[in-house]
Amino acid sequence: KQEVTQIPAALSVPEGENLVLNCSFTDSAIYNLQWFRQDPGKGLTSLLLIQSSQREQTSGRLNASLDKSSGRSTLYIAASQPGDSATYLCAVKWNYGQNFVFGPGTRLSVLP
Amino acid sequence: DAGVTQSPTHLIKTRGQQVTLRCSPKSGHDTVSWYQQALGQGPQFIFQYYEEEERQRGNFPDRFSGHQYPNYSSELNVNALLLGDSALYLCASSWYKNSGANVLTFGAGSRLTVL
Repeated sequence: KQEVTQIPAALSVPEGENLVLNCSFTDSAIYNLQWFRQDPGKGLTSLLLIQSSQREQTSGRLNASLDKSSGRSTLYIAASQPGDSATYLCAVKWNYGQNFVFGPGTRLSVLP
Repeated sequence: DAGVTQSPTHLIKTRGQQVTLRCSPKSGHDTVSWYQQALGQGPQFIFQYYEEEERQRGNFPDRFSGHQYPNYSSELNVNALLLGDSALYLCASSWYKNSGANVLTFGAGSRLTVL
């Protein structure tokens, strides 16, 4: 069964800290993996998309890595800011099927 | 360039009623996927429409049905509403033939409350 899990479920850090969010998935035969941000009661905003042939992607203070063999992806946020407070969701598309399977998300709070 | 638009933003229904949610995809996109997101959980895939046909379906009962129009807009219909159908319903659009670099673009969602 295709499953995506995220650890931790919630995280609270002081402003300025570097932090890592974790995503794990069953079955290494993925097509790509996408990280999203969701503000309370809002839709999802795509942050980074990593193709199966890639090891990492970077956008500003965000860096996402992919290790297919271990079934893991990490989202690294550098120099966190209060505006980074949101829920971060990992979604995986496997080689078969068109839909993404989402993890439950990590709720991040960055304290000023 | 308009993104994905969904309507209505909020609605309240009672058990047993029927509801229709609407979605207009991002300009240039031809594929619409619908997701249900319960409070505190990740989105769950309902189904995907391309060329006016349902292409893939998640683990949802037949009470959930959809439609795609020639202009690529889409509707999600839910019949015989249950309390458990209360959720944020998200529409995502993409370009089917570029699925290799398929970045999903989501709308803001329709918040359904079933009383």
